[in-house]
Amino acid sequence: RKEVEQDPGPFNVPEGATVAFNCTYSNSASQSFFWYRQDCRKEPKLLMSVYSSGNEDGRFTAQLNRASQYISLLIRDSKLSDSATYLCVVRNNAGNMLTFGGGTRLMVKP
Amino acid sequence: ETGVTQSPTHLIKTRGQQVTLRCSSQSGHNTVSWYQQALGQGPQFIFQYYREEENGRGNFPPRFSGLQFPNYSSELNVNALELDDSALYLCASSQPRNEQFFGPGTRLTVL
Repeated sequence: RKEVEQDPGPFNVPEGATVAFNCTYSNSASQSFFWYRQDCRKEPKLLMSVYSSGNEDGRFTAQLNRASQYISLLIRDSKLSDSATYLCVVRNNAGNMLTFGGGTRLMVKP
Repeated sequence: ETGVTQSPTHLIKTRGQQVTLRCSSQSGHNTVSWYQQALGQGPQFIFQYYREEENGRGNFPPRFSGLQFPNYSSELNVNALELDDSALYLCASSQPRNEQFFGPGTRLTVL
């Protein structure tokens, strides 16, 4: 079993739609979680951290369910510019290693 | 832009050769991490350097080695290249336990 698993997609949605991605992780002791965004042939960039209480940044909402060991990302009012691959990431407790899921590809269509 | 630079941008090598990839960290960062990203997959952690010492290693064989210099720039060396080493190699700089900022990557093709 992979340490961090995601549905690879692609998710094809129209502009303005709401879309949600889920991710599961295997290490129940993990403490730090993130969503990264990666555009085609570019480097990953931090989108947002994920906190136990859930957190929101504009149109993006991230949630963590420790009991079920899954992380979610909700994107409201999708824009064409949201088209990218979204990577679920878990940082180990030593703080020196990021473990990435395989990524979920999102394509927002006009 | 993150301020993290990598060279070269692209590289083509043949099986069995050796390669050196370079990374310059963002100003003020003393930690560099290296990742391998195969096509269609997420990045995989190779190792991290902190103040010129290796500070954690992923599941990669010893033919993957690295260095960090006093100015905190870093090199990744891969010996005896295999076809499966073809990938995007990403470096990321940070302060310890803080956000990692990625460079644009080096795309390595092994023929």
